[in-house]
Amino acid sequence: RKEVEQDPGPFNVPEGATVAFNCTYSNSASQSFFWYRQDCRKEPKLLMSVYSSGNEDGRFTAQLNRASQYISLLIRDSKLSDSATYLCVVLVGFGNEKLTFGTGTRLTIIP
Amino acid sequence: GEEVAQTPKHLVRGEGQKAKLYCAPIKGHSYVFWYQQVLKNEFKFLISFQNENVFDETGMPKERFSAKCLPNSPCSLEIQATKLEDSAVYFCASSQTPGNQPQHFGDGTRLSIL
Repeated sequence: RKEVEQDPGPFNVPEGATVAFNCTYSNSASQSFFWYRQDCRKEPKLLMSVYSSGNEDGRFTAQLNRASQYISLLIRDSKLSDSATYLCVVLVGFGNEKLTFGTGTRLTIIP
Repeated sequence: GEEVAQTPKHLVRGEGQKAKLYCAPIKGHSYVFWYQQVLKNEFKFLISFQNENVFDETGMPKERFSAKCLPNSPCSLEIQATKLEDSAVYFCASSQTPGNQPQHFGDGTRLSIL
């Protein structure tokens, strides 16, 4: 079983729609959680950190369920520029500071 | 600088040749990480540094791969006797305190082994 699992997609959704991505992680000691986006094999860019209380940044909402070891990302009113691969990323911490990546979910927004 | 700077952007080597990649972290960031991305978006952690000290090298292949971060110089990742399977994009990331702060990535170096 992979340490971080995501639905690889692809997700093809019309502009303006709402889309949700899910991610599960296997290490219960994980401390920090992130969503990164990656465009066409460019560098991953931080989209948002994910906090236990859930957090929102404009059209993006992230949720964390520690009990279920589950992370989600919701994108509302999707735009063409949201087309990218979304990477669920986990950091264990406490001396294990490397990032562990999911394989990413490919999203294409259709005009 | 304010960005992680990686050079070169592309590197082509014949199988068996040496490849050397460079990374300058964001100024003030004391942690540097190297990741390898092969096909299908699979990222593999290679090694991390805290300043010039190796912090975690559990992802480094035992043979052929080495890395350094020396004072006042870009960090480097060197691959000896390259193999076809070394073809990948190598990303460098830096962070202040990685347990609390996210890692910021450079543009990557695309290594092609022919």
